[in-house]
Formats: sequence, C-alpha cells, structure tokens
Amino acid sequence: DTAVSQTPKYLVTQMGNDKSIKCEQNLGHDTMYWYKQDSKKFLKIMFSYNNKELIINETVPNRFSPKSPDKAHLNLHINSLELGDSAVYFCASSQDRGAYGYTFGSGTRLTVV
Amino acid sequence: GESVGLHLPTLSVQEGDNSIINCAYSNSASDYFIWYKQESGKGPQFIIDIRSNMDKRQGQRVTVLLNKTVKHLSLQIAATQPGDSAVYFCAENGIGDYKLSFGAGTTVTVRA
Repeated sequence: DTAVSQTPKYLVTQMGNDKSIKCEQNLGHDTMYWYKQDSKKFLKIMFSYNNKELIINETVPNRFSPKSPDKAHLNLHINSLELGDSAVYFCASSQDRGAYGYTFGSGTRLTVV
Repeated sequence: GESVGLHLPTLSVQEGDNSIINCAYSNSASDYFIWYKQESGKGPQFIIDIRSNMDKRQGQRVTVLLNKTVKHLSLQIAATQPGDSAVYFCAENGIGDYKLSFGAGTTVTVRA
C-alpha cells in the first residue's frame, strides 16, 4: 500500500483554469504538508496542517487554497492558474512536528500552458 | 533566505568508489537533520537522519556526520552503485517547526 498517495500524477491545463490535487496518507500521521519543487529541483514548503488546522502558510498566493477534511487528507485547490505555477507539487506527512521523519508522495507534475 | 545549502550542485563518482555529499546550514536552532534521495519522477525518499545531540550515525552503506560547530552536515555513501544515481537533499527541522527546510540538492551521477 502506498503510504502517501497523490492524484493526479500529471496535470496539464490552460492558464486561468482552476484545478485540484488530492493527497491521502495511511500512516496515521497527524501533520500533512504541501511542497513545491521548481525547475531547479528546489523544494519549498507551502503549507502545513496539524490535526486539520493550518499551521504554516509560507507566503503562498491566495489563489492556492488547501483543505483538510480529516487528518488523512490534504487537498490543494488552485484558482486562476498562471504559467509560473508550473512545477512538481509534493504532499508529505509526519507525526506531529516530524521529529521522526517525513514521508513524501510521488508528486504531481503541473504544467500550465 | 533558506537556512540549508549544499556545497556542490553535481558529483560524478566512479562505481565502487565512496561518495561524499556536503551540506551547510545556518540555523543554530536546527535539531534534526535528514538526508533524502530523489530519483527521476519520484518523491524524496528518506535515507538517514541525525539529531543535534549526535555527531555521527551509520546506516546500510551510508553515514551521516554532523559538525554543529561549523554547521556542517555530510552524507557518505560507501561503494557507490549505479542505483545511487539521484538528487540528494539535506533537510533540517528546528525545534517547534512544522516544516522541513531543504537545501538545493546535489545531483550524483555514477560512472560505470
């Protein structure tokens, strides 16, 4: 079983569209994250949620709206997509603050055309 | 700016040789460090971690060294294999943080 699963794996869409990426973890973790990896492979935190509550919003445009319906799910909705949103988005999870490690999903490659 | 960085963006290694990947961090409050491996088309995969109260930790073919005095972290891979070709990231987590901060990544290429 995949510990952290994201869907879709690939997403190609036009500028101005709205899209969502879903994430689920079956590790029983209480903290989930979204990271963005740019074309230079740099990984940057976007959001973290602990027990469904937003803990970190790392100066992400408000076109990005995460939603955590329960501890096992953290979805990412993006409005009015822009070319600069093209990247690979990774979901991750950890127990509490991650003192015992973080587990990452396999990523969603978003291409905005 | 980011608190974690790597000294070299690429490393080419002969198969069978040992690899050393370096990382510098600037946050004195960092208390937990992790090395990740990312293969093409995949997410970061945990390799080994170390806490700030340790200076060395060994795993299977990998060793992490932590020098808190100079804020330096390294990953040593013994007898590098073709399957070790990937991008390697160091990451740190400070006390109370709900995030992992990543360095820029080193691309390791293993030559046959």
